[in-house]
Amino acid sequence: EAGVTQSPTHLIKTRGQQATLRCSPISGHTSVYWYQQALGLGLQFLLWYDEGEERNRGNFPPRFSGRQFPNYSSELNVNALELEDSALYLCASSLLSRDNYGYTFGSGTRLTVV
Amino acid sequence: DAKTTQPTSMDCAEGRAANLPCNHSTISGNEYVYWYRQIHSQGPQYIIHGLKNNETNEMASLIITEDRKSSTLILPHATLRDTAVYYCIVRPTGTASKLTFGTGTRLQVTL
Repeated sequence: EAGVTQSPTHLIKTRGQQATLRCSPISGHTSVYWYQQALGLGLQFLLWYDEGEERNRGNFPPRFSGRQFPNYSSELNVNALELEDSALYLCASSLLSRDNYGYTFGSGTRLTVV
Repeated sequence: DAKTTQPTSMDCAEGRAANLPCNHSTISGNEYVYWYRQIHSQGPQYIIHGLKNNETNEMASLIITEDRKSSTLILPHATLRDTAVYYCIVRPTGTASKLTFGTGTRLQVTL
């Protein structure tokens, strides 16, 4: 069974540009979660999508947005990139009805803003 | 969600048991204890979770005190590949909600 896949693995953008990060959940998982991990820091919750709807949002500005598609894959968009947006962005998926079994994380997209 | 307190770092000799403590004194009756670990720059990996009974799987054992205010993750025979940051998280059951990661314990396994 394929795990959670994220693309691209690495992304370099210039300040002010937009970045789009993609996540494919495990087959059958309906929930997708996005986290940001800046270098040397902990994981900060960004967004949670389930069944195509945004269920919860972390303390991030509106230029961080996303969506979930009918096949449950998800995109994270970051507009007007700032240098401090440089981080590892992690996606996780779970099956809502079995959410007590926790998440499965992907390997992340490392975004570098120059 | 209840807060957790973990030591910042721990060392363990390879082949010995690694015992990682976690304090969650404000845990509610409907909150699970989860453990994840993150090996350098990779996505966190689920290890184990429990509500009030001790749990064991192929990776580790989870010991939860009777009052549920603390728990210990046990890696029975630590190897160098177990070097990672270990996160203890509490989260309500029955409702899907985000996992809130703290700063975790950095476990260094040495020869």
